[in-house]
Amino acid sequence: KQEVTQIPAALSVPEGENLVLNCSFTDSAIYNLQWFRQDPGKGLTSLLLIQSSQREQTSGRLNASLDKSSGRSTLYIAASQPGDSATYLCAVEAGTASKLTFGTGTRLQVTL
Amino acid sequence: NAGVTQTPKFQVLKTGQSMTLQCAQDMNHNSMYWYRQDPGMGLRLIYYSASEGTTDKGEVPNGYNVSRLNKREFSLRLESAAPSQTSVYFCASSRRTGSNQPQHFGDGTRLSIL
Repeated sequence: KQEVTQIPAALSVPEGENLVLNCSFTDSAIYNLQWFRQDPGKGLTSLLLIQSSQREQTSGRLNASLDKSSGRSTLYIAASQPGDSATYLCAVEAGTASKLTFGTGTRLQVTL
Repeated sequence: NAGVTQTPKFQVLKTGQSMTLQCAQDMNHNSMYWYRQDPGMGLRLIYYSASEGTTDKGEVPNGYNVSRLNKREFSLRLESAAPSQTSVYFCASSRRTGSNQPQHFGDGTRLSIL
């Protein structure tokens, strides 16, 4: 059974810092890995999707990497801003029905 | 751009009552999903519909039923609500299974069962 773990569970950083969020998964037979953002009381917003054949994806200040063989992904956020404060979830997609298995998230607070 | 719309946003039920959570998407997606989110457990898949006319169980289907009414709509029904079903429920859709496209989520239904 696929298991997804995110470390740390919570993180507080001052504005302007670069930071890294970690995600690990137990079964490397995946289609892709996805990073989402969740604001309090809201749904999930897709940030980046890395296909199993890719090593990384970038969108603005966000860069996500994937090492499928070791079962790890990182989300790098450059020059953090207070507006980046949210919970970040990673999920792996696998199986015939493209099911997503989620981690429990990292709650990020960026302070002024 | 509405995306994925869920109704209601909040609901309080008594144990044993029934209700249906509604979900509709306007992106012409083939696949739709229902998840529940509980503190410390992440999102877990309840049921999914890979395409119109098909539904399948996910990780935690007990106590729930679903209906894929048409391509746009996918409903989740609790026949006899239990306190253990207190949760936040999310509906999602994607272009199709295996498409390597992200799932799009609604804002959720916050359900409390007393």
